[in-house]
Amino acid sequence: QKEVEQNSGPLSVPEGAIASLNCTYSDRGSQSFFWYRQYSGKSPELIMFIYSNGDKEDGRFTAQLNKASQYVSLLIRDSQPSDSATYLCAVVRNGQNFVFGPGTRLSVLP
Amino acid sequence: GAVVSQHPSWVICKSGTSVKIECRSLDFQATTMFWYRQFPKQSLMLMATSNEGSKATYEQGVEKDKFLINHASLTLSTLTVTSAHPEDSSFYICSARDPSGANVLTFGAGSRLTVL
Repeated sequence: QKEVEQNSGPLSVPEGAIASLNCTYSDRGSQSFFWYRQYSGKSPELIMFIYSNGDKEDGRFTAQLNKASQYVSLLIRDSQPSDSATYLCAVVRNGQNFVFGPGTRLSVLP
Repeated sequence: GAVVSQHPSWVICKSGTSVKIECRSLDFQATTMFWYRQFPKQSLMLMATSNEGSKATYEQGVEKDKFLINHASLTLSTLTVTSAHPEDSSFYICSARDPSGANVLTFGAGSRLTVL
């Protein structure tokens, strides 16, 4: 079992819709959870991080964490074509190491 | 927020030559920096952790003699790809932890290496 798993996609949603990106992790001791966005040919940029169970909202983005189910998700409301990118889920374990998932490619269709 | 600068952005070299990539923390000190490699349509793979003033910690399967890492100061880490070959062509990205305390990784812009 891979440490961090994501559907590779592509996930296609129409402009204005909600995009839902999912991530599962295997290490129950994981402490911090991050979502990064990576445009083609560019390096990742941070969207959000979440440490506690529940929801965390920042503008059009909502991160959801369920440690019991070892599941973290990212919702993007009112999706825009500029949101088209690969979204990387990252998990920190042992307080040190970042482990990245394979990424989900999102395509927002105008 | 914290800024990590990486140079060069693009480099093309001949097979057998060595290439150095620099990673600088611009407005903060980074005792630890991380080097990642990313092949097309694949995720980030951690190559090594660069430690200021001491030896780098390499991930399993990464050749330390081929990927030389030097972290000589609190703001600069370098990755040298020695005797580069076409299979080393990849996107190399460095990162450092944001000093704000949020345990966030900030990435450099990345360096695209093409070995002919």
